[in-house]
Amino acid sequence: EPEVTQTPSHQVTQMGQEVILRCVPISNHLYFYWYRQILGQKVEFLVSFYNNEISEKSEIFDDQFSVERPDGSNFTLKIRSTKLEDSAMYFCASSVAGDTDTQYFGPGTRLTVL
Amino acid sequence: AQSVAQPEDQVNVAEGNPLTVKCTYSVSGNPYLFWYVQYPNRGLQFLLKYITGDNLVKGSYGFEAEFNKSQTSFHLKKPSALVSDSALYFCAVSDGSSNTGKLIFGQGTTLQVKP
Repeated sequence: EPEVTQTPSHQVTQMGQEVILRCVPISNHLYFYWYRQILGQKVEFLVSFYNNEISEKSEIFDDQFSVERPDGSNFTLKIRSTKLEDSAMYFCASSVAGDTDTQYFGPGTRLTVL
Repeated sequence: AQSVAQPEDQVNVAEGNPLTVKCTYSVSGNPYLFWYVQYPNRGLQFLLKYITGDNLVKGSYGFEAEFNKSQTSFHLKKPSALVSDSALYFCAVSDGSSNTGKLIFGQGTTLQVKP
């Protein structure tokens, strides 16, 4: 069964550094998402992406965040200058067109900002 | 604003007994409701969803959920729990009028099934 994959599984970085989290969505999916979960808190929506554009973004997704689909398979989340409060588990998800509600999630990348 | 509440941090049941994991929601339009499960070191897996129609929705692994509009609830149920059902369960809602796929999650409920 096809799966969403994410790399790395764990990223440790210094405050102020840029990080790029990578995701490979399921190949025939056209909608892509990023969510995050701070330890002990809810899973929070960050952004949805379709047709090379952001469809919707949350208040969390400020100018420090950006997303990109650099080629036909990868979907990336960049944090330009990390803060301590960016430490969280970041989940990528994807869905087919016409069924955006059934989302398939990757295993997550744990980001630790020191 | 949309929101989801899962009032129990943890639910403990004995194997073979029925289980219920509770969820209530608040949404302005027609709610689309979901249950996802997370096993250790894995991503969230889709279990089932309610969009419209029959209030009782059947999903994967023998789970079902009942949509109750008057109580704004969408409780997850299973007639006979298995030890392998032990995991973290998330209820989620999306706004049916939006096509961006944004999901709002509850805080999660840990289900512990004991042999």
